[in-house]
Amino acid sequence: IAGITQAPTSQILAAGRRMTLRCTQDMRHNAMYWYRQDLGLGLRLIHYSNTAGTTGKGEVPDGYSVSRANTDDFPLTLASAVPSQTSVYFCASSDPPQEYGYTFGSGTRLTVV
Amino acid sequence: AQKVTQAQTEISVVEKEDVTLDCVYETRDTTYYLFWYKQPPSGELVFLIRRNSFDEQNEISGRYSWNFQKSTSSFNFTITASQVVDSAVYFCALSPYGSARQLTFGSGTQLTVLP
Repeated sequence: IAGITQAPTSQILAAGRRMTLRCTQDMRHNAMYWYRQDLGLGLRLIHYSNTAGTTGKGEVPDGYSVSRANTDDFPLTLASAVPSQTSVYFCASSDPPQEYGYTFGSGTRLTVV
Repeated sequence: AQKVTQAQTEISVVEKEDVTLDCVYETRDTTYYLFWYKQPPSGELVFLIRRNSFDEQNEISGRYSWNFQKSTSSFNFTITASQVVDSAVYFCALSPYGSARQLTFGSGTQLTVLP
């Protein structure tokens, strides 16, 4: 089934630990994105990648890093997790034409304690 | 900078009532896309519609309709004869027309349809 796979589905992480959220798509979309969703704030862009080999900062990039070694994978790394990074993280992809909008993964619920 | 405002944080209606979700946006771009997404209690984001800024024709899809007014920078969403299954958080979003294409989301409106 074409789409985006995120892993893990949920995770409880001790503060200070390193964590990588995985995102894989099988649609050969050029652009990929990471968003975090917080109550009352909607979804906010963390990082994006327009094509493999390139990345850019979104609205809330601090504390996060990404890489885009190939078209399909776009991992998000928290180098040293803090409680304020407790959130639901969504990976998304898009490609022109955008007739059907962006495709989102099912999300990763991360709790930093 | 882009901004999307959904002033209605929560709305409750009784089944079969009509309900309109408001969305107001700000952008300096002359061409852009507007979106609505639905997030049911299961948590996934479901695409509902995309509109181009150069196409102000209103759209109807079954019980859903969208009113795009560029003059007031609004893109409102109406559900006719609401049903319990419409209960969800609804997000309005904006993206530039071009290679960047990052979505800017509103804060969402929680719609509860009571039986």
